[in-house]
Amino acid sequence: QKEVEQNSGPLSVPEGAIASLNCTYSDRGSQSFFWYRQYSGKSPELIMFIYSNGDKEDGRFTAQLNKASQYVSLLIRDSQPSDSATYLCAVSGNNNDMRFGAGTRLTVKP
Amino acid sequence: EAQVTQNPRYLITVTGKKLTVTCSQNMNHEYMSWYRQDPGLGLRQIYYSMNVEVTDKGDVPEGYKVSRKEKRNFPLILESPSPNQTSLYFCASSLRPTGAGELFFGEGSRLTVL
Repeated sequence: QKEVEQNSGPLSVPEGAIASLNCTYSDRGSQSFFWYRQYSGKSPELIMFIYSNGDKEDGRFTAQLNKASQYVSLLIRDSQPSDSATYLCAVSGNNNDMRFGAGTRLTVKP
Repeated sequence: EAQVTQNPRYLITVTGKKLTVTCSQNMNHEYMSWYRQDPGLGLRQIYYSMNVEVTDKGDVPEGYKVSRKEKRNFPLILESPSPNQTSLYFCASSLRPTGAGELFFGEGSRLTVL
């Protein structure tokens, strides 16, 4: 069974701090990695995707991928209360299956 | 406006009463998929479709059927719903096969089976 694991949280950080969200996956053949944000009662929306080892930055968000360790993370710098949501890690391989982690609930306190 | 539209958004039904959840996208996407979301389990893929008349099972297909007769529509059919199918369902579409593209989600359909 291919697994995507995330800490369920809740993760609580003060406003302005860096929030670090982690995800591990079991399928070494995985090729594409995504982070989705889901506000309570809403549908998931894509924040970032990463395909290659290393870091990818987009504004306050940085995705980090380490395929050797089967680990992907999302850093949110200067966290804002509006970042409070559940963050879903998703991993995709060759055979068109997209697997999601259970999500990490983030709370940013003013 | 580019969107994925699901209906109904909320439904309460009884065991065994057939129901269909419709999904339509206006982005001319090739790929469509259904997920269910349960507390602590995250999003699990039920079925997906890479094009018209092409469908395949995801992780949890038991008790569900789908069809893809038109590119824009991908209905989810529960022939004989059971209480363990009580869940939040999301339809999603993507321009390219999953591994290469962003998934656009519908607003979700919350189903309760009594």
